[in-house]
Amino acid sequence: GAGVSQSPRYKVAKRGQDVALRCDPISGHVSLFWYQQALGQGPEFLTYFQNEAQLDKSGLPSDRFFAERPEGSVSTLKIQRTQQEDSAVYLCASSPTRRQALSYNEQFFGPGTRLTVL
Amino acid sequence: AQSVTQLGSHVSVSEGALVLLRCNYSSSVPPYLFWYVQYPNQGLQLLLKYTTGATLVKGINGFEAEFKKSETSFHLTKPSAHMSDAAEYFCAVTLRGNTPLVFGKGTRLSVIA
Repeated sequence: GAGVSQSPRYKVAKRGQDVALRCDPISGHVSLFWYQQALGQGPEFLTYFQNEAQLDKSGLPSDRFFAERPEGSVSTLKIQRTQQEDSAVYLCASSPTRRQALSYNEQFFGPGTRLTVL
Repeated sequence: AQSVTQLGSHVSVSEGALVLLRCNYSSSVPPYLFWYVQYPNQGLQLLLKYTTGATLVKGINGFEAEFKKSETSFHLTKPSAHMSDAAEYFCAVTLRGNTPLVFGKGTRLSVIA
Protein backbone atom coordinates (compact mmCIF):
# COMPACT_ATOMS: atom_id res chain seq x y z
CA GLY A 1 0.00 0.00 0.00
CA ALA A 2 0.91 3.65 -0.03
CA GLY A 3 3.53 4.92 2.34
CA VAL A 4 3.55 8.01 4.52
CA SER A 5 3.01 11.16 2.48
CA GLN A 6 3.74 14.74 3.43
CA SER A 7 2.77 18.03 1.86
CA PRO A 8 4.02 20.38 0.76
CA ARG A 9 7.44 18.91 0.01
CA TYR A 10 9.00 22.36 0.02
CA LYS A 11 7.82 25.52 1.71
CA VAL A 12 9.38 28.96 1.69
CA ALA A 13 8.03 31.41 4.23
CA LYS A 14 8.86 34.96 5.15
CA ARG A 15 9.78 35.51 8.75
CA GLY A 16 6.63 36.06 10.76
CA GLN A 17 4.33 34.03 8.51
CA ASP A 18 2.32 31.07 9.77
CA VAL A 19 2.78 27.68 8.07
CA ALA A 20 0.91 24.37 8.16
CA LEU A 21 2.56 21.08 7.30
CA ARG A 22 0.47 18.01 6.57
CA CYS A 23 1.15 14.33 7.18
CA ASP A 24 -0.89 11.42 5.81
CA PRO A 25 0.16 8.26 7.67
CA ILE A 26 -0.10 4.73 6.41
CA SER A 27 -3.75 3.75 6.54
CA GLY A 28 -4.68 2.26 9.88
CA HIS A 29 -1.47 3.15 11.68
CA VAL A 30 -2.29 4.19 15.21
CA SER A 31 0.88 6.08 16.16
CA LEU A 32 2.15 9.20 14.43
CA PHE A 33 5.38 11.04 15.15
CA TRP A 34 6.84 14.41 14.13
CA TYR A 35 10.58 15.07 14.00
CA GLN A 36 12.65 18.11 13.08
CA GLN A 37 15.89 17.62 11.17
CA ALA A 38 18.21 20.61 10.98
CA LEU A 39 20.82 20.71 8.22
CA GLY A 40 23.57 18.19 8.85
CA GLN A 41 21.93 16.84 12.00
CA GLY A 42 19.93 13.80 13.02
CA PRO A 43 16.16 14.03 13.43
CA GLU A 44 14.93 15.32 16.77
CA PHE A 45 11.61 14.38 18.30
CA LEU A 46 8.87 17.00 18.43
CA THR A 47 5.63 15.29 19.37
CA TYR A 48 3.59 12.14 18.90
CA PHE A 49 0.03 10.85 18.86
CA GLN A 50 -1.74 7.63 19.51
CA ASN A 51 -4.95 7.91 17.53
CA GLU A 52 -6.16 11.46 18.22
CA ALA A 53 -4.50 11.74 21.63
CA GLN A 54 -1.29 13.73 21.83
CA LEU A 55 0.78 11.67 24.25
CA ASP A 56 3.97 13.70 24.34
CA LYS A 57 4.75 17.20 23.11
CA SER A 58 7.88 17.74 25.12
CA GLY A 59 10.01 18.20 22.01
CA LEU A 60 8.13 21.18 20.63
CA PRO A 61 10.69 24.01 20.80
CA SER A 62 8.26 26.80 21.67
CA ASP A 63 4.59 27.64 22.02
CA ARG A 64 4.69 28.77 18.39
CA PHE A 65 4.58 25.08 17.44
CA PHE A 66 1.28 23.25 17.55
CA ALA A 67 0.27 19.81 16.26
CA GLU A 68 -3.10 18.14 15.92
CA ARG A 69 -4.63 14.90 14.70
CA PRO A 70 -8.34 15.44 15.24
CA GLU A 71 -9.69 12.25 13.67
CA GLY A 72 -6.79 9.98 14.40
CA SER A 73 -5.48 9.86 10.85
CA VAL A 74 -4.12 12.96 9.10
CA SER A 75 -1.98 15.25 11.22
CA THR A 76 -1.00 18.89 10.84
CA LEU A 77 2.01 20.62 12.33
CA LYS A 78 1.49 24.36 12.55
CA ILE A 79 4.19 26.92 13.16
CA GLN A 80 3.13 30.44 13.99
CA ARG A 81 5.22 33.55 13.39
CA THR A 82 8.03 31.58 11.76
CA GLN A 83 11.63 32.49 12.53
CA GLN A 84 14.83 31.69 10.68
CA GLU A 85 15.81 29.05 13.22
CA ASP A 86 12.68 27.11 12.24
CA SER A 87 14.28 26.31 8.88
CA ALA A 88 14.64 22.54 8.77
CA VAL A 89 13.18 19.38 7.31
CA TYR A 90 10.10 18.22 9.18
CA LEU A 91 9.66 14.46 9.12
CA CYS A 92 6.52 12.53 9.88
CA ALA A 93 6.47 8.83 10.75
CA SER A 94 3.74 6.34 11.56
CA SER A 95 3.71 2.91 13.13
CA PRO A 96 1.16 0.17 13.70
CA THR A 97 0.17 -1.36 17.02
CA ARG A 98 1.34 -4.73 18.23
CA ARG A 99 -1.99 -6.20 17.27
CA GLN A 100 -1.72 -4.84 13.77
CA ALA A 101 1.66 -6.09 12.74
CA LEU A 102 4.93 -7.60 13.84
CA SER A 103 6.52 -4.37 12.65
CA TYR A 104 4.80 -2.46 15.47
CA ASN A 105 8.11 -1.22 16.84
CA GLU A 106 9.14 0.21 13.48
CA GLN A 107 8.46 3.75 12.35
CA PHE A 108 7.78 4.35 8.66
CA PHE A 109 8.92 7.78 7.52
CA GLY A 110 7.56 10.15 4.93
CA PRO A 111 9.80 12.16 2.56
CA GLY A 112 9.65 15.25 4.77
CA THR A 113 8.80 18.90 4.24
CA ARG A 114 11.74 21.23 3.77
CA LEU A 115 10.88 24.58 5.37
CA THR A 116 12.98 27.62 4.56
CA VAL A 117 12.29 30.81 6.46
CA LEU A 118 13.70 33.95 4.87
CA ALA B 1 17.24 9.33 29.15
CA GLN B 2 18.69 7.61 26.16
CA SER B 3 21.39 8.96 23.89
CA VAL B 4 23.27 7.85 20.79
CA THR B 5 26.80 8.64 19.68
CA GLN B 6 27.92 7.98 16.15
CA LEU B 7 31.68 8.15 15.80
CA GLY B 8 32.75 9.80 12.57
CA SER B 9 30.52 12.24 10.79
CA HIS B 10 32.00 11.16 7.46
CA VAL B 11 33.37 7.77 6.41
CA SER B 12 34.90 7.11 3.02
CA VAL B 13 35.56 3.61 1.65
CA SER B 14 36.58 2.14 -1.67
CA GLU B 15 34.08 0.14 -3.68
CA GLY B 16 34.31 -3.48 -2.55
CA ALA B 17 35.84 -2.62 0.82
CA LEU B 18 34.38 -3.31 4.25
CA VAL B 19 31.92 -0.77 5.60
CA LEU B 20 31.97 -0.13 9.36
CA LEU B 21 29.79 2.59 10.89
CA ARG B 22 30.01 2.96 14.64
CA CYS B 23 27.17 3.52 17.08
CA ASN B 24 27.26 3.61 20.87
CA TYR B 25 24.19 4.15 22.98
CA SER B 26 23.29 5.04 26.51
CA SER B 27 20.17 3.59 28.09
CA SER B 28 19.09 2.70 31.60
CA VAL B 29 17.17 -0.37 30.41
CA PRO B 30 17.63 -2.80 27.52
CA PRO B 31 16.98 -0.71 24.43
CA TYR B 32 15.51 -1.20 21.02
CA LEU B 33 18.12 -0.20 18.42
CA PHE B 34 17.73 0.79 14.80
CA TRP B 35 19.78 1.78 11.78
CA TYR B 36 18.16 3.99 9.16
CA VAL B 37 19.51 5.17 5.81
CA GLN B 38 18.65 8.50 4.20
CA TYR B 39 19.24 9.32 0.55
CA PRO B 40 19.25 12.97 -0.58
CA ASN B 41 15.85 14.64 -0.38
CA GLN B 42 14.21 11.48 0.90
CA GLY B 43 12.89 10.24 4.20
CA LEU B 44 14.44 7.59 6.38
CA GLN B 45 14.40 3.93 5.40
CA LEU B 46 14.86 1.21 7.99
CA LEU B 47 17.94 -0.97 7.40
CA LEU B 48 17.65 -3.23 10.42
CA LYS B 49 16.56 -3.35 14.05
CA TYR B 50 17.35 -5.11 17.29
CA THR B 51 14.62 -5.63 19.86
CA THR B 52 15.20 -8.96 21.60
CA GLY B 53 16.74 -12.33 20.80
CA ALA B 54 19.67 -12.87 18.50
CA THR B 55 22.26 -10.14 18.91
CA LEU B 56 23.46 -10.32 15.31
CA VAL B 57 20.78 -8.90 13.09
CA LYS B 58 20.69 -8.86 9.33
CA GLY B 59 19.02 -6.17 7.31
CA ILE B 60 18.41 -5.10 3.78
CA ASN B 61 21.08 -4.50 1.13
CA GLY B 62 23.58 -6.83 2.79
CA PHE B 63 23.95 -4.82 6.01
CA GLU B 64 24.16 -6.33 9.45
CA ALA B 65 24.73 -5.12 13.00
CA GLU B 66 25.63 -6.73 16.29
CA PHE B 67 24.20 -5.68 19.64
CA LYS B 68 26.96 -5.81 22.28
CA LYS B 69 25.54 -5.01 25.68
CA SER B 70 28.91 -5.02 27.44
CA GLU B 71 30.22 -2.39 25.01
CA THR B 72 26.88 -0.55 24.64
CA SER B 73 27.45 -0.70 20.90
CA PHE B 74 25.47 -1.47 17.79
CA HIS B 75 27.92 -1.06 14.90
CA LEU B 76 26.74 -1.42 11.31
CA THR B 77 28.77 -3.44 8.83
CA LYS B 78 28.70 -4.58 5.24
CA PRO B 79 31.40 -6.84 3.78
CA SER B 80 31.64 -5.14 0.40
CA ALA B 81 30.66 -1.56 -0.33
CA HIS B 82 28.71 -0.68 -3.44
CA MET B 83 28.41 2.74 -5.04
CA SER B 84 24.70 2.73 -4.26
CA ASP B 85 25.49 2.58 -0.52
CA ALA B 86 26.57 6.22 -0.53
CA ALA B 87 24.09 7.96 1.78
CA GLU B 88 23.57 9.26 5.32
CA TYR B 89 23.19 6.64 8.03
CA PHE B 90 21.50 7.17 11.38
CA CYS B 91 21.55 5.03 14.49
CA ALA B 92 18.55 5.37 16.80
CA VAL B 93 17.41 4.06 20.17
CA THR B 94 14.14 3.77 22.04
CA LEU B 95 12.95 1.95 25.14
CA ARG B 96 10.02 0.09 23.63
CA GLY B 97 7.84 -0.04 20.56
CA ASN B 98 5.74 2.90 19.47
CA THR B 99 7.71 5.49 21.42
CA PRO B 100 9.86 8.36 20.12
CA LEU B 101 13.25 7.56 18.66
CA VAL B 102 16.45 9.25 19.78
CA PHE B 103 18.82 9.60 16.84
CA GLY B 104 22.53 10.06 16.52
CA LYS B 105 23.91 12.92 14.44
CA GLY B 106 24.46 10.64 11.46
CA THR B 107 27.41 9.39 9.43
CA ARG B 108 27.79 10.24 5.77
CA LEU B 109 29.16 7.30 3.81
CA SER B 110 31.05 7.98 0.60
CA VAL B 111 32.04 5.14 -1.73
CA ILE B 112 34.99 5.70 -4.03
CA ALA B 113 35.22 3.88 -7.33
